[in-house]
Order: sequence, then structure tokens, then C-alpha cells
Amino acid sequence: AQTVTQSQPEMSVQEAETVTLSCTYDTSESDYYLFWYKQPPSRQMILVIRQEAYKQQNATENRFSVNFQKAAKSFSLKISDSQLGDAAMYFCAYRSASRGSTLGRLYFGRGTQLTVWP
Amino acid sequence: GAVVSQHPSRVICKSGTSVKIECRSLDFQATTMFWYRQFPKQSLMLMATSNEGSKATYEQGVEKDKFLINHASLTLSTLTVTSAHPEDSSFYICSAWDTKQPQHFGDGTRLSIL
Repeated sequence: AQTVTQSQPEMSVQEAETVTLSCTYDTSESDYYLFWYKQPPSRQMILVIRQEAYKQQNATENRFSVNFQKAAKSFSLKISDSQLGDAAMYFCAYRSASRGSTLGRLYFGRGTQLTVWP
Repeated sequence: GAVVSQHPSRVICKSGTSVKIECRSLDFQATTMFWYRQFPKQSLMLMATSNEGSKATYEQGVEKDKFLINHASLTLSTLTVTSAHPEDSSFYICSAWDTKQPQHFGDGTRLSIL
């Protein structure tokens, strides 16, 4: 089964600064999707950004961008100009693009708790 | 955008009660729905995968007789926690997916068994 590893249980950043959250994954597949989800204290799961493995260009959504290194199986999230509202648990997730019994299933990392200091 | 409605958001009930949680996709037909359980400060743990009109596929270690899943239509899946006990207290969250979109999550159900 695919595994997703987030090696930073906790991270903190000063407001307006930049922080990078790490994620690595293990797969033998060549076509897949990667996601970052944010879970604030309300526990709602919010999609932050997604990346298709066949695309070389790194995805960007406003202040959020990823550094996707396919050969290294690395998918880090950079948050620029951090805001107090960015404080949350962040989960990295993998989804296969292949058909089969696991179609649509997300594999999650353990999460990184991000604290933003004013 | 796509919305998934999960109801109820909070349940408090006595031990031995059965509790039903609904998950609805409001503006798309979900090929598959997933049910997760989450303990405090931990990741989402997949309990089962549900496809419309077929039996749910349960993850190893999840009791199918304890956690009954019904997926009667392309927009509705239900999770019933039967004869709930305090150890079943947790946060349960569903997600719905079709092949065209990322997974969309419900807002979760906080279940407390006294």
C-alpha cells in the first residue's frame, strides 16, 4: 500500500513569514495525485492545493505553493505571508490515478500542526 | 463548488443506543463515499469504502456488524454505529467522490457515548 510520511508533527511560523511543510510518499505507480488538506479547529477538511503527477509544473494557489519532486517522491507545501487563519493541522494525501479496488482512496500522512504567532 | 452534507454534527447518547450518521452529496453524484474515524490530534483513519448499490468494503480491524454502512443512492450513504459504547466515541467524517473531482468532505460528526 502507498505510504505518506510527514516528518514534522509540529511547526510554527511568525505572521507574514514563510513556512514549508514536508511530505514524502512511497509508490510504485507513475500516475497519481497529491493533495494538501487543511483541518482547522472546526475539524472541517479543506482542500488547499492539488498536484497531478504527470505535470512538471508546481501547483500554486495564491499564497500556497508546492515543490513537487517526482523522482525524490517529495511534495512540500510552502505558505507565504503566513496569516493567523493559516493555523491548523495540515495533511498531505496521495491518490492513485489507476483503476482498481483502491480507486478514489486517499492515503493520508499523520499531519503537521501549524502554529502562527502574531 | 461541490458540497457534502453530513448530519448530525454532534450526537450525545447513552451506551447501547444505535446512532445513524448521514452523508449526502448535494450537487453531484458520488461514485464512491468513504467513511473515516479520527481521534484527537491524529490523522483520518479509513473505516470503509462505499459504492452505490453494493456492499461496503471494510478496512482490516473494522467490525462490519458494529459499523453498518448503507449506500442506497448516488447521493446518500449512511453509517450506523450499532449498540454504541463509550469506546466508540470519536469524530466520524465522510467524503464523497466522483471521477471528475477531488474528494469533498462532510463537516464531520462528533459522537459521544455516555
